[in-house]
Amino acid sequence: GAVVSQHPSRVICKSGTSVKIECRSLDFQATTMFWYRQFPKQSLMLMATSNEGSKATYEQGVEKDKFLINHASLTLSTLTVTSAHPEDSSFYICSAGGLPTNTGELFFGEGSRLTVL
Amino acid sequence: GEDVEQSLFLSVREGDSSVINCTYTDSSSTYLYWYKQEPGAGLQLLTYIFSNMDMKQDQRLTVLLNKKDKHLSLRIADTQTGDSAIYFCAESIGGFKTIFGAGTRLFVKA
Repeated sequence: GAVVSQHPSRVICKSGTSVKIECRSLDFQATTMFWYRQFPKQSLMLMATSNEGSKATYEQGVEKDKFLINHASLTLSTLTVTSAHPEDSSFYICSAGGLPTNTGELFFGEGSRLTVL
Repeated sequence: GEDVEQSLFLSVREGDSSVINCTYTDSSSTYLYWYKQEPGAGLQLLTYIFSNMDMKQDQRLTVLLNKKDKHLSLRIADTQTGDSAIYFCAESIGGFKTIFGAGTRLFVKA
């Protein structure tokens, strides 16, 4: 199956700094990428949808100036958590959809655990 | 609006069958999915069913779809300890937009 790689898998940062997480589709062109946040023992919370070359669409309640999403190419989307605070600590997961699948299947990254001190 | 609901926990003994249930609201869903998440990892597609099918079997996995009741189930035969994970039911609502349930945490007791 298609592979989506997410980097870094773990990151610890100080409060007030910014952190960038990358999501790459390694063997297919991801026309659409999604970013999720997952709290411990809870479900995925969709944060935003990004289509290559256009601005991301954020879900209600997600601050777009806080969580900057860039999808500059068909193989790379980035999520930047700006001025991170301890409450931003979470597990962030990306997923990608694109050809050749015609079943709407999403391919998920391995997730990135962010800890803000 | 679109919604997918599933029970949060299921505990079974090793060797027994597990049945995870899910209900969804969007009758126009084309595909319905079961994803598996192991601790500290992303999700992996386990299986999917096209909306005009009633059943799909894949080795130990059986998916049943009752489109009238908007009910989807996943049966895992001969459940093993390695099947312990969170199982997400999901429906496709167009393009790659997918609505996920809250996930069912499956505990398999040896």
